Amino acid sequence: QSALTQPASVSGSPGQSITISCSGTSSDVGRHNFVSWYQHHPGKAPKLLIYDVTNRPSGVSNRFSGSKSGNTASLTISGLQAEDEADYYCSSYTSSSALYVFGPGTKVTVL
Amino acid sequence: QVELVESGGAVVQPGMSLRLTCAASGFTFTSYPMHWLRQTPGRGLEWVTIISGDGSYENYAGSVKGRFSISRDNSKDTVYLQMNTLRAEDTAVYFCARAPDSRWHTFETWGQGTLVTVSS
Repeated sequence: QSALTQPASVSGSPGQSITISCSGTSSDVGRHNFVSWYQHHPGKAPKLLIYDVTNRPSGVSNRFSGSKSGNTASLTISGLQAEDEADYYCSSYTSSSALYVFGPGTKVTVL
Repeated sequence: QVELVESGGAVVQPGMSLRLTCAASGFTFTSYPMHWLRQTPGRGLEWVTIISGDGSYENYAGSVKGRFSISRDNSKDTVYLQMNTLRAEDTAVYFCARAPDSRWHTFETWGQGTLVTVSS
C-alpha cells in the first residue's frame, strides 16, 4: 500500500485540462516542498515532469504544472494531448525513515 | 545524452543472491548521487536505496536493509545493487535513477528498468 494517495484514473478529451491529486500527511507533502511528479509510459523510463512542487525541468512542456495546498499536491495537465496518455506518479521526501514515498499512480486516458 | 542502462535481472529462487548493474553515460558520473527504485503491480513504486556521488553515504529502505547493498565504481560510471536473501516480495522491475547533488529527493533521470523475479 502506497504512502501517498492518488486517484486510480483520470480521463479527459483532447484540449481539456485535468488535475491529479496527491494526498499525503504532515510528515511528507505537508511538511516539505519536495514533491515531484513523474510520467511513465509502461516499458519506458519514467520521466520527471515537476520537482519541488512547482518547478519544471528544462524540456518539459509548460502544459504541465504543479501546486500544493496543505497535505495535498496537484498536477495539472492543460491542453490534453494523445501522447499524455500514461501513468503519473507523485513522490515526496518524508521525515519518516522511509525517506522517499510514492503514490500508487494515476492512469490518464485521453478520450 | 544522459543515459542509464540497467542489467542483471533474472529469475531466481528465494534465498538466492543477485547483482544488478546500472551503466551511466553522458554526464559526469561522480557529481551525482544515484538511487535504486523498484516497481511492482501490487505496491507501485518504492524507493530502495541511495549512494552519494563519492560513495561515502548510503541509505536503505527498511524492507531491504541488511539484505541489499549499493555500491558504485566511479572509474566505470557504474552503480551496483547487490541483493541477498531474496524473497518473493522482492519481485519487481528495478530502476536506477540519478539525482542532482543539490536535490537528492528528485529522481531526475531514470533507466528503463530490469526485471527481477523471485520464485521457486
